[in-house]
Amino acid sequence: EAQVTQNPRYLITVTGKKLTVTCSQNMNHEYMSWYRQDPGLGLRQIYYSMNVEVTDKGDVPEGYKVSRKEKRNFPLILESPSPNQTSLYFCASSPRPGTGRNNEQFFGPGTRLTVL
Amino acid sequence: AQSVAQPEDQVNVAEGNPLTVKCTYSVSGNPYLFWYVQYPNRGLQFLLKYITGDNLVKGSYGFEAEFNKSQTSFHLKKPSALVSDSALYFCAVRDRGGNRDDKIIFGKGTRLHILP
Repeated sequence: EAQVTQNPRYLITVTGKKLTVTCSQNMNHEYMSWYRQDPGLGLRQIYYSMNVEVTDKGDVPEGYKVSRKEKRNFPLILESPSPNQTSLYFCASSPRPGTGRNNEQFFGPGTRLTVL
Repeated sequence: AQSVAQPEDQVNVAEGNPLTVKCTYSVSGNPYLFWYVQYPNRGLQFLLKYITGDNLVKGSYGFEAEFNKSQTSFHLKKPSALVSDSALYFCAVRDRGGNRDDKIIFGKGTRLHILP
């Protein structure tokens, strides 16, 4: 089954304790992206990746890091989480834009993060 | 710069009536336009997209959307609403003409309530 998986689904942590949210897709997609969803703000893009070893900042990258060492995985790293990073996080993937293939994104189920 | 506006935070419609969820956009070039739906405690699901061709696009669950270039709008419509259509709807745009056509901007979302 084609899917995007995220782990963990729920996480409660404390300020300053490094954490990683994993994202994996099995559709051989080049493009992967992380979003955060906050009430009244919709989805905002944190980072995206056009392919292996290619990453770029979205609209709200501060406080986050990503890596793309393999095509299928795109982990989101919070080196020193703060309470303002409490949010619902979504990973998404799609074929590379501009290739003419279907370019809608497939979303993971979400990770609800609480930073105390 | 790209932007997407969903002017209504919430739309209430009686079951069986037609529904419209509004979306306007701003891009520097030609847009890819998308609608996604989010059911409670779920990730986003793709509904439909406009890439090129016919201005009226048909998608999943009986939804359709009309691309209007002069009004820069991409309103989501359905002729007869179902209670199960109640969800959070997001409009998104990807700019094909600019240097950064790999960024995707989402609107803030519109909560659709279908009243029995």
